[in-house]
Amino acid sequence: DADVTQTPRNRITKTGKRIMLECSQTKGHDRMYWYRQDPGLGLRLIYYSFDVKDINKGEISDGYSVSRQAQAKFSLSLESAIPNQTALYFCATSEGLTSGGQETQYFGPGTRLLVL
Amino acid sequence: GQQLNQSPQSMFIQEGEDVSMNCTSSSIFNTWLWYKQDPGEGPVLLIALYKAGELTSNGRLTAQFGITRKDSFLNISASIPSDVGIYFCAGQLNRGAQKLVFGQGTRLTINP
Repeated sequence: DADVTQTPRNRITKTGKRIMLECSQTKGHDRMYWYRQDPGLGLRLIYYSFDVKDINKGEISDGYSVSRQAQAKFSLSLESAIPNQTALYFCATSEGLTSGGQETQYFGPGTRLLVL
Repeated sequence: GQQLNQSPQSMFIQEGEDVSMNCTSSSIFNTWLWYKQDPGEGPVLLIALYKAGELTSNGRLTAQFGITRKDSFLNISASIPSDVGIYFCAGQLNRGAQKLVFGQGTRLTINP
């Protein structure tokens, strides 16, 4: 079974609709992240959370919100979807910094979102 | 924001050839990570590098943490069809940095 799962895997919606993307992990990691991937731009950080109830903005948080109600779950919402939010969305987890201050992140399979 | 420059952006090679790609930055990095993304899937960690000068192998893959701490390379030897995908470098700017910075990716295509 996958350690990091995302639902749905694919979603088509219309402009103005509210959408929620879900991420669940069985790795027992405290840290969770949401990224957006666009062609030629790599991965850009939307929001991240270091613990339950902890929420931090990434570089492109406008138009998005998140919820971390449990250690294993981190949800991303688009309150009013717009076409330029069409992208591939990835959730990632991390057990945090090592004693040397270093970190490794593990990714889910992604959600492909199309906003018409 | 901080950028990692990853090159080349795409590669078209013949099966059996060796592959080399790299990431550079104007800033010093504490950690370098290399990921591979298969079509329709999330990035999977290939190699993690934690010390300047470190050279690490994972099967046919070899990666190095540049001695200046501003670059890293990934080599793939004797490429096979399943090596197709997008390869990303990612870096941690300093010890305790709370986020990773990602390169733009290198798309590898292999002709059988």
